Amino acid sequence: EPEVTQTPSHQVTQMGQEVILRCVPISNHLYFYWYRQILGQKVEFLVSFYNNEISEKSEIFDDQFSVERPDGSNFTLKIRSTKLEDSAMYFCASSDAPKNIQYFGAGTRLSVL
Amino acid sequence: GENVEQHPSTLSVQEGDSAVIKCTYSDSASNYFPWYKQELGKRPQLIIDIRSNVGEKKDQRIAVTLNKTAKHFSLHITETQPEDSAVYFCAASITDKLIFGTGTRLQVFP
Repeated sequence: EPEVTQTPSHQVTQMGQEVILRCVPISNHLYFYWYRQILGQKVEFLVSFYNNEISEKSEIFDDQFSVERPDGSNFTLKIRSTKLEDSAMYFCASSDAPKNIQYFGAGTRLSVL
Repeated sequence: GENVEQHPSTLSVQEGDSAVIKCTYSDSASNYFPWYKQELGKRPQLIIDIRSNVGEKKDQRIAVTLNKTAKHFSLHITETQPEDSAVYFCAASITDKLIFGTGTRLQVFP
């Protein structure tokens, strides 16, 4: 069964550094999402992306965050200057149509020291 | 804004018993309600979903019911097994974004 893949599985960074989290959505999917889950808390929506532009973003997704589809297969989340509170599990998800099933990747655990 | 409340936060049942998890959503325009199961350290996986034009959906031991008037939806697991132990999240959506509940940690004891 096709899966969403995310790399790296764990990223450790110093506060103030830039990080890029990478995702390869399922190949025929066109709708992409980033969510985050702070340890022990619920999953929170960050951003949705379709046709090379952001469809919707949450209050969490401020100017420090950006997303990009640099080629035909990757979807990235960049955090320009990480803060301690950015430490969380970041999940990428993809879907073949709006409001269809969203398939989640295994996540990248970001630890900001 | 949109909000989803989920209860209980923890649920312990004996193997073979039923488990029910309830969610309430705030925005009456919500029209898609998936349930995800998340085992420790793993990705959320969809187990069942329901759309607002349907009141109930069943898949083997799992069922979901939706009450649009009350803005409630519930997950029912019958004949629970130890491998059902996980955290279960409900979610609601109007647009593409999923608004998740706070999760229910289900423990099924043999």
